[in-house]
Amino acid sequence: DGGITQSPKYLFRKEGQNVTLSCEQNLNHDAMYWYRQDPGQGLRLIYYSQIVNDFQKGDIAEGYSVSREKKESFPLTVTSAQKNPTAFYLCASKVNTEAFFGQGTRLTVV
Amino acid sequence: GQNIDQPTEMTATEGAIVQINCTYQTSGFNGLFWYQQHAGEAPTFLSYNVLDGLEEKGRFSSFLSRSKGYSYLLLKELQMKDSASYLCAVSPGAGSYQLTFGKGTKLSVIP
Repeated sequence: DGGITQSPKYLFRKEGQNVTLSCEQNLNHDAMYWYRQDPGQGLRLIYYSQIVNDFQKGDIAEGYSVSREKKESFPLTVTSAQKNPTAFYLCASKVNTEAFFGQGTRLTVV
Repeated sequence: GQNIDQPTEMTATEGAIVQINCTYQTSGFNGLFWYQQHAGEAPTFLSYNVLDGLEEKGRFSSFLSRSKGYSYLLLKELQMKDSASYLCAVSPGAGSYQLTFGKGTKLSVIP
């Protein structure tokens, strides 16, 4: 079955630690995205990538980093520079008329 | 820049019809998406419009007017399970794959 897989579903991080969220897709989509969603809020774009080895900052890129070494994979690192990282993180992929989301990773800083 | 507006909340009665509006102002346009998101879950894809007019898919329909920067999602024969947030997203195109979302409309279906 084709789809987008995010892992882990829940993640706990201590303050000051970096953490990497995984996103893998087997839909052969070129474009991939990372969004952040806070309670009761809409989706805000962190980073997006149109092709391998290329990515662009979204509206709230500070404190985050990404890589796109393979078409299938677009991991997001939440660094210690992100002051308020507790949120629901969603990965998506898109090609022309289709855009689908993974199940999300709920990150909590403890 | 991109600006996408939707009403924050709506309430409708089971069995009724509801229309959720979305207006957008973007630097370009290459399609508009609608998603449904239940609380605590990821958004699920509902529809895509790139040309003017109405796209019907079962109980859900989506309309687009590019000249007015306007879309709506029409839900017919509302069911309790339709209680969710509905997100409008625009792909500005013009060489950009960016996909920008509105803040979503929380729909409550009441008996």
